[in-house]
Amino acid sequence: NAGVMQNPRHLVRRRGQEARLRCSPMKGHSHVYWYRQLPEEGLKFMVYLQKENIIDESGMPKERFSAEFPKEGPSILRIQQVVRGDSAAYFCASSPNLAGVTDTQYFGPGTRLTVL
Amino acid sequence: GENVEQHPSTLSVQEGDSAVIKCTYSDSASNYFPWYKQELGKRPQLIIDIRSNVGEKKDQRIAVTLNKTAKHFSLHITETQPEDSAVYFCAAHSNTGNQFYFGTGTSLTVIP
Repeated sequence: NAGVMQNPRHLVRRRGQEARLRCSPMKGHSHVYWYRQLPEEGLKFMVYLQKENIIDESGMPKERFSAEFPKEGPSILRIQQVVRGDSAAYFCASSPNLAGVTDTQYFGPGTRLTVL
Repeated sequence: GENVEQHPSTLSVQEGDSAVIKCTYSDSASNYFPWYKQELGKRPQLIIDIRSNVGEKKDQRIAVTLNKTAKHFSLHITETQPEDSAVYFCAAHSNTGNQFYFGTGTSLTVIP
């Protein structure tokens, strides 16, 4: 059973370009979380999605950032018009999220975004 | 919302000694508390978790204790080894909410 997959692992963008980060959850997992981690800092929640539905996006900046988790294919975190402050590691995590039970989330390897 | 505080931020121990990392939380509805280990440049890895219906859980050299009344939980690593060196994060989650709230991390160094 493959773990959570993320690609690309490293992404370099110039200011003003767009960044697309992809996350494929573990098999059987229908819920995805995205986090941002700055160097030597903790994990900051951004958004929580299930298939075709955003559950909670309270941690995601209102401008330039968007996320989706379509019925088919990976979850995508999209950052438009990137700025240097967007440079960070972006992790996704997936969980099966069975009804009524908080389930463990498993993390992907992360995408390290560098904005020049 | 929930607020998770973690202490200490850095911890150095001699190989073979024990290490203890403590976290407090504010939301009494939180009922699930995982601990993650993150090595440099790697993903956070779940090492142990505890639910609010138990007070202690152990897995070999790692144990977690939970005090619901005081709203704090702790990670205990015994007989530490150099490969235990990493950043450790605690987290809290409630079935009534959507987010996992993470502590700010503890950088553990085990000195050979």
